[in-house]
Amino acid sequence: AQSVTQPDIHITVSEGASLELRCNYSYGATPYLFWYVQSPGQGLQLLLKYFSGDTLVQGIKGFEAEFKRSQSSFNLRKPSVHWSDAAEYFCAVGFTSGTYKYIFGTGTRLKVLA
Amino acid sequence: DGGITQSPKYLFRKEGQNVTLSCEQNLNHDAMYWYRQDPGQGLRLIYYSQIVNDFQKGDIAEGYSVSREKKESFPLTVTSAQKNPTAFYLCASSPSGGTFQETQYFGPGTRLLVL
Repeated sequence: AQSVTQPDIHITVSEGASLELRCNYSYGATPYLFWYVQSPGQGLQLLLKYFSGDTLVQGIKGFEAEFKRSQSSFNLRKPSVHWSDAAEYFCAVGFTSGTYKYIFGTGTRLKVLA
Repeated sequence: DGGITQSPKYLFRKEGQNVTLSCEQNLNHDAMYWYRQDPGQGLRLIYYSQIVNDFQKGDIAEGYSVSREKKESFPLTVTSAQKNPTAFYLCASSPSGGTFQETQYFGPGTRLLVL
């Protein structure tokens, strides 16, 4: 069965420090992978997505993610975190089951220290 | 500006009451979705629609109903049969729902609380 795991519920980093949020997936075929960000009380915004090709994907707001098939991972990174990056981040995998569906991870809440 | 609007921002439900959450989009998208978000859990799909007058159950449709009479509107009714309705509800849309190449756009959400 398809699944997405985000092992870190909370992460705290200092402003200017680097960031890596972990995401592991379980899916038998080639995965469609996504990272979304959600500010408090708001909807989700797509940061980046991976379908095929270059395994290092660039997104908005200076984020990037690397697909590693051997590790079934799609970790999100940012070299220097800004206070405005404090939010909750969701990894998702897309799959087809009669239609195009998504499974979302449980999210990682990022806190940024000034 | 194009986007998705959800109303109200907060909604209170009494025991045995049906309540309806509004979702409107002016993006000219064919596909629309309803998700439920609970603390510590990812989003779960309630219903989706890829065309007017047609919709499909998602993973947790029990206790919910929808309609899609207009392309731009996809209201969700939380019925009295939904025993644990307290959650954050997100509406989303995408151009056709027929490919992952599309981006799903999300509304700001409605928080439903039970009195």
